[in-house]
Amino acid sequence: KAGVTQTPRYLIKTRGQQVTLSCSPISGHRSVSWYQQTPGQGLQFLFEYFSETQRNKGNFPGRFSGRQFSNSRSEMNVSTLELGDSALYLCASSLGPSGANYEQYFGPGTRLTVT
Amino acid sequence: KNEVEQSPQNLTAQEGEFITINCSYSVGISALHWLQQHPGGGIVSLFMLSSGKKKHGRLIATINIQEKHSSLHITASHPRDSAVYICAVIAGNEKLTFGTGTRLTIIP
Repeated sequence: KAGVTQTPRYLIKTRGQQVTLSCSPISGHRSVSWYQQTPGQGLQFLFEYFSETQRNKGNFPGRFSGRQFSNSRSEMNVSTLELGDSALYLCASSLGPSGANYEQYFGPGTRLTVT
Repeated sequence: KNEVEQSPQNLTAQEGEFITINCSYSVGISALHWLQQHPGGGIVSLFMLSSGKKKHGRLIATINIQEKHSSLHITASHPRDSAVYICAVIAGNEKLTFGTGTRLTIIP
């Protein structure tokens, strides 16, 4: 079974631009969660989608948004990029929602650099 | 104060040593995860625990819900175990909250 895939793997953007990252979950998984990892803040939860609905959202500004499609693939979008948005963005998929204690499987991440 | 605290932050040991990494949390949880992150960023889920003890190969994870504490043990450590180990909990808000990680280096 293929693992979680994320595209692109690396991205360089300029301040003020917007970016869209994609995550394809393991086949059959209906939950996708997104995380941001920076050297200063570590890993932080961004949001979780289950069956095309956002179940949960972390403490990030409205510039961060996401969506999930009927095939469970998910995208996250960051608008008006700031230097501080430079980070490794990870997605993870699971069979069910995180509150039901399903194991999460992580993708390789997208490394975003904002200049 | 972080909701999830790990110790030590850094750990260097000789190959073959028994390793213990600790995780303490301050909120009620439904589950605790131990994750492994190698250089380059990829994260692998090692264990998900809500009670007791789990074992997988040379890795053992335990949790004490009353004391709000979990430990990850590695027996017969090997240089390939060198990685960052991260503890994460799911609390009532159903969001995964992460510890700051323990950087483990095993010297041959």
